[in-house]
Amino acid sequence: NAGVMQNPRHLVRRRGQEARLRCSPMKGHSHVYWYRQLPEEGLKFMVYLQKENIIDESGMPKERFSAEFPKEGPSILRIQQVVRGDSAAYFCASSPLPAASSYNSPLHFGNGTRLTVT
Amino acid sequence: DAKTTQPPSMDCAEGRAANLPCNHSTISGNEYVYWYRQIHSQGPQYIIHGLKNNETNEMASLIITEDRKSSTLILPHATLRDTAVYYCIAGFQGAQKLVFGQGTRLTINP
Repeated sequence: NAGVMQNPRHLVRRRGQEARLRCSPMKGHSHVYWYRQLPEEGLKFMVYLQKENIIDESGMPKERFSAEFPKEGPSILRIQQVVRGDSAAYFCASSPLPAASSYNSPLHFGNGTRLTVT
Repeated sequence: DAKTTQPPSMDCAEGRAANLPCNHSTISGNEYVYWYRQIHSQGPQYIIHGLKNNETNEMASLIITEDRKSSTLILPHATLRDTAVYYCIAGFQGAQKLVFGQGTRLTINP
C-alpha cells in the first residue's frame, strides 16, 4: 500500500513564477492536510481539505496561496508569484476519516516538496 | 492547543532505552498527547498517542503522569535509525491542526 506521494521532491522557481505542488493521499484516504516547514523551524498547519471542499484554511497566507482537492486526481497547493520567503519544505498528510472523529486515525505524511525560490 | 516543552537535544547509546520527556502543564482534560518523529529529509512519522493511560505499540511506549502535566516517550532498544527530531504535541482527538514545536533532536550513538 503506497504511502502519501508528493511531487516533485525538489522544485526551484524564480521570484514571480508560480509553484504547483502535488499530493496523492494514501489509498482510501479522502482527507488531505498541508503543512509548511521553514528552515530550522517546526511544521505549521496550512489547510485541511476533503474531496472538492476546503474545510479549514486558517493557516494559509491570505494572498498568493491556494489549495484544491478535486474529485479526481491529486491535491494541489498553488503558490503564485513566489518570493524568497516561500522557500520551505511543504508536507502533505492524509487520513481516512475526518480527523476530529477517529481516535485511531493519525496523520500519514509524505516526504515533502522542497521549494527553493531564487 | 496546549503548549509543550521538550529538551532541544538528547543523546543515547545504541541498544539502550531512550527516554524523551515532555512537559504539557496546561493540557486540558480532553487533549491527547501525540508523538511524531521526523528523520532527516523525510516527512513526520506518527509514533504513538494517549490520553490518560500508558500506551505501548510496536514502536514505543508512552508514559503519562497521573496529573497529565508531563509524559515520557520510551524507545526500548534504540537503534541508529531512531536518530531523528521527536515532537510531542498536545491536541484534541484526531486533531488535524497539529502544532509542532521545535522538538527534541535525538542522536543515537554507536
